[in-house]
Amino acid sequence: AQKVTQAQTEISVVEKEDVTLDCVYETRDTTYYLFWYKQPPSGELVFLIRRNSFDEQNEISGRYSWNFQKSTSSFNFTTTASQVVDSAVYFCALSEGLTGANSKLTFGKGITLSVRP
Amino acid sequence: EPEVTQTPSHQVTQMGQEVILRCVPISNHLYFYWYRQILGQKVEFLVSFYNNEISEKSEIFDDQFSVERPDGSNFTLKIRSTKLEDSAMYFCASSDNPDNGGETDTQYFGPGTRLTVL
Repeated sequence: AQKVTQAQTEISVVEKEDVTLDCVYETRDTTYYLFWYKQPPSGELVFLIRRNSFDEQNEISGRYSWNFQKSTSSFNFTTTASQVVDSAVYFCALSEGLTGANSKLTFGKGITLSVRP
Repeated sequence: EPEVTQTPSHQVTQMGQEVILRCVPISNHLYFYWYRQILGQKVEFLVSFYNNEISEKSEIFDDQFSVERPDGSNFTLKIRSTKLEDSAMYFCASSDNPDNGGETDTQYFGPGTRLTVL
């Protein structure tokens, strides 16, 4: 069975601080996908990134970066120089199988990030 | 940019009543999903739907729930007799044909329908 653990529940930082959100996953499949979604206070789920199990290359997109390490079953998300607009709940998710389509997403419990001015 | 839409944004109903939550997936997508999020908790998978039939469903998706794609654009979730514990945010998602390559098979979510059962 697949499982996603986000051990941190709430993180509060001051603007311009760097913050890392942790995600640890469990799966028996050798082929799987990992995702991060953002849920701002307005409630919608916004897709941020996905990684497949064959691609351990780290990703950087502006102030955001993702560190995927199969050896520790982790897919961590770092925000550099955080801003108030980054305040949201962040969910890590996992899907098993050859494609992301037609595969259920298993979500972690989410991490509430609060960025104070 | 195409997006998933859901109506209504908020639905209030009495226990025992039937509700239908509506979704319009992204137009060229082939795979459709429903998830729910009880307030303050994680997002949980309910059901996936492809080629006019259910592909997978969770334990939550019991006989009180059904899904339908009544026409070429809508995807609905029906709860036959609502219970208090059905109160949650319900998210619809859709994804494209993975053969199209790239990240087209990523699931994109709608804004959600908040269901309140009194």
